Amino acid sequence: AQTVTQSQPEMSVQEAETVTLSCTYDTSESNYYLFWYKQPPSRQMILVIRQEAYKQQNATENRFSVNFQKAAKSFSLKISDSQLGDTAMYFCAFMKHLSGANNLFFGTGTRLTVIP
Amino acid sequence: DTGVSQNPRHKITKRGQNVTFRCDPISEHNRLYWYRQTLGQGPEFLTYFQNEAQLEKSRLLSDRFSAERPKGSFSTLEIQRTEQGDSAMYLCASSSGLAGGQETQYFGPGTRLLVL
Repeated sequence: AQTVTQSQPEMSVQEAETVTLSCTYDTSESNYYLFWYKQPPSRQMILVIRQEAYKQQNATENRFSVNFQKAAKSFSLKISDSQLGDTAMYFCAFMKHLSGANNLFFGTGTRLTVIP
Repeated sequence: DTGVSQNPRHKITKRGQNVTFRCDPISEHNRLYWYRQTLGQGPEFLTYFQNEAQLEKSRLLSDRFSAERPKGSFSTLEIQRTEQGDSAMYLCASSSGLAGGQETQYFGPGTRLLVL
C-alpha cells in the first residue's frame, strides 16, 4: 500500500518570500510518479508540478520547483517569490507506474497562506 | 474546453435518502475518476472509468454506492440509503488517458454532500 504524509497542516509566508512544503511517502514500487496539486479556496484542484521517479533531475515549473530525494522518499515543493494567488491547500500525491487506473494517492494537505 | 463540471454543487439530505451526483468531463477525455474528500483529508479514490467501462473500484465504494458512465461521456454517482458518514466532498476528474504519470487529471469543483 502507498501512503503519503504531509506533516505541516498549515504554513504562512510573506509575499515575495520563498516557502517549502514537505511531503514524504512510502511505497515498495520502484517506479512511480509524484505530484503537487493546488486547491484554492472554493475553486477546483489544479496540477502544479509532476516528477517521474526514474528521472534524477528535479522538476521545475516557473516559480515552483521540487526537491526529490528518492532514497529518503521525500518530495518537497518550493515556491519562490510567493504571490497572494498562491494561497491554497497544497496536496502531495503519488501514482504507481503502469497501474491501469492511474489513480492518485493524496496526502492530507498543507494550507498555505501568503501574507501581504 | 470548458473544464470538468459537477452538479449539484451542494446537496443536503436526510439519512436514509438516495442522492445522485453528475459529472461532465472535458469532452475529449476518455478517463473519468471519482474521489471522495472528507474534512481535513486529501481526496481518496473511489472508482474509475475508461470510456463507458468501469474498470476499478476502491474498497471505499460500498454496495450502497453505484457509478455509471452510460455513453462514455457524463457520469453519475448514486448513494443509496445515505448515512452521516457519507458526508464529504465528491470530486470528479477526467483525463485523456496518456500512459502512467504523463496524464493530467483535471478536477471538477466537487459536490459537497451533507447528510443530516
